[in-house]
Formats: sequence, structure tokens, C-alpha cells
Amino acid sequence: GQQVMQIPQYQHVQEGEDFTTYCNSSTTLSNIQWYKQRPGGHPVFLIQLVKSGEVKKQKRLTFQFGEAKKNSSLHITATQTTDVGTYFCAGRNYGQNFVFGPGTRLSVLP
Amino acid sequence: DAGVIQSPRHEVTEMGQEVTLRCKPISGHDYLFWYRQTMMRGLELLIYFNNNVPIDDSGMPEDRFSAKMPNASFSTLKIQPSEPRDSAVYFCASSPGTGSNSNQPQHFGDGTRLSIL
Repeated sequence: GQQVMQIPQYQHVQEGEDFTTYCNSSTTLSNIQWYKQRPGGHPVFLIQLVKSGEVKKQKRLTFQFGEAKKNSSLHITATQTTDVGTYFCAGRNYGQNFVFGPGTRLSVLP
Repeated sequence: DAGVIQSPRHEVTEMGQEVTLRCKPISGHDYLFWYRQTMMRGLELLIYFNNNVPIDDSGMPEDRFSAKMPNASFSTLKIQPSEPRDSAVYFCASSPGTGSNSNQPQHFGDGTRLSIL
């Protein structure tokens, strides 16, 4: 079945440093979603990517969908303490439901 | 607009007891999902419904787990009998959509933190 992997599992950065998490699928995806879960909270939808090579930005966050639609990345520029949390990608195979990756837990040291 | 509402927020019970988790999806959403989250296994999809009909229950761990959606505004996840390894945070999520699958974002409830002693 479809597998979605994320690296790294954990990332500790100093406030102001950049952060990137990578999402890889074992199969070609129709689209991919990104979610953020704050400690003690629930996953919250951030963005969806659909097109091959698509790049979307939300303030300091940049999301990219690979050309082959099998991988994606989330990059945060100049992290802040409010960025702390776990970032999940969820990939959807054509006609199937979304499969969540294991997440990348981000810690930001002030 | 109210989001997805789950109850209870916390549940502590002894093994062997029946546990019922409840979810009220966002009005108008056609899809409802039940997830289980643990440190070891991450976020696992247990079952999802489309228009109150169970579509995929392949993630339900075993026969001790059952889920129902008697109407568009209510769903339950039941564990009977409960075991310590069932301890986890259980999330309900809903999304709008049409047809056989949904391309829409999922809106998660606050979750139920379940502890089985």
C-alpha cells in the first residue's frame, strides 16, 4: 500500500534559523496536504498542493511539490517560537484517501 | 461556526470496560474520519464515513473496535472491552466533498485523550 515518509523525525533549531522538512511517497500522488499540530493540540490544515512543481508561500512558509509528484517539502525561513509543533504531510493517491506521514517535530530554542 | 466537537476530552477507565467516544462533525461536511495518535505509531486512520456510510474500516485494529454514524451530525467510536494498549489520543475529523473521495482539507476536533489502566 501507499507509504508516506518524512524526514527528519525531529529538528531542533535556534530561533531565527531556517527549517526544512521533507515528505516522500512510495507512489505518485494526486495531491498533498500539510498540517501543523501544536503540542497538546490537534492537526490544523496549512495548505494543499496539486500541480507538479507547484510552489506556494504563506508568509515565512514555502511549500513545494516535486516534479514527479512523489515528494514535497516545507521550508520555514527565520523560525520563531510560535513555529514549534509537529508538521505532517498527507499524500493522496488517485482515487484513494489521504495517508499521513509520521510528522517532523520542530523545537525552536529562544 | 463551531468546529468538530468531540467528547469526552479525557477518559480514564480500567481495562475491560466499554469506552464510547463521540463526535459531532461540522455541519454540511460529508466525510467523517476517526484517527488514533500515539508516539509509537503516529496518526493512524481507523475508519471513515461518506454520507454516514462506512467506506473504509481497514484501519480498525480488531473486533473490539466499532464505529457508527447514525446520522449526519453524530458518530461514535466504541471499544469493548478496552485494553491498556488502546491508550492514545483519538481524533475525529470532517471534511466537505462530493463523490467517492474528498480532496478537501480535514478539520480535526480537539481529540479525546484515553487512558486505560
